Amino acid sequence: DIQMTQSPSSLSASVGDRVTISCRASRSISSWLAWYQQRPGTAPQLLIYKASTLNSGVPSRFRGSGFGTEFTLTISSLQPDDFATYYCQQYQSSYTFGQGTKLELK
Amino acid sequence: QVQLQESGPGLVKPSQTLSLTCSVSFGSINTGGYYWSWIRQFPGKGLEWIGYIHHSGSADYNPSLRSRVTISVDTSKNQFSLTLTSLTAADTAIYYCANCRETNWFDLWGQGTLVTVSS
Repeated sequence: DIQMTQSPSSLSASVGDRVTISCRASRSISSWLAWYQQRPGTAPQLLIYKASTLNSGVPSRFRGSGFGTEFTLTISSLQPDDFATYYCQQYQSSYTFGQGTKLELK
Repeated sequence: QVQLQESGPGLVKPSQTLSLTCSVSFGSINTGGYYWSWIRQFPGKGLEWIGYIHHSGSADYNPSLRSRVTISVDTSKNQFSLTLTSLTAADTAIYYCANCRETNWFDLWGQGTLVTVSS
């Protein structure tokens, strides 16, 4: 199994801040990584796939990067709608998700 | 825009079998490149892929659940279903159906249905 580890588990920030969330794979997954946003009481929504490709309709303030075992999700200027939980997911071998990073309003 | 909707019981007794159905609306389950999936989210918020099925009937499952899971498809009804046997409290979760694009990422999710395993 490929294990996915996100850091931090939670993060406090303000509107307008730039934030970065990290995701590490237990072995190389090339670029086979997706990021999801989950708001309370709703299903996860796809933000990014292939490590850096924005899903249709996702604002350009979201950026994904990385390759191999180290990946990051950066939100360049936080908006009120962005306070949510974020998950990474690998699809190199079967499918596993990170434990999530909860982004809270400071 | 394709929509997914889960249906099934919200409460199941330990040792019993869970059956859930996902209805696909405003699109065809026969669409090429789509793999119809089940994913669950535990109360602590962790996400676990359960398995998927293609409209051809080809399926794949999480190895940790393989002995207890069956996913089937009914193309005439535009639905696919999950059967999970020998339930325990550890199976309590929100169960989502989702579309897996080309066996890669999950780009469309249902709203989810909470299943509680309790006597």
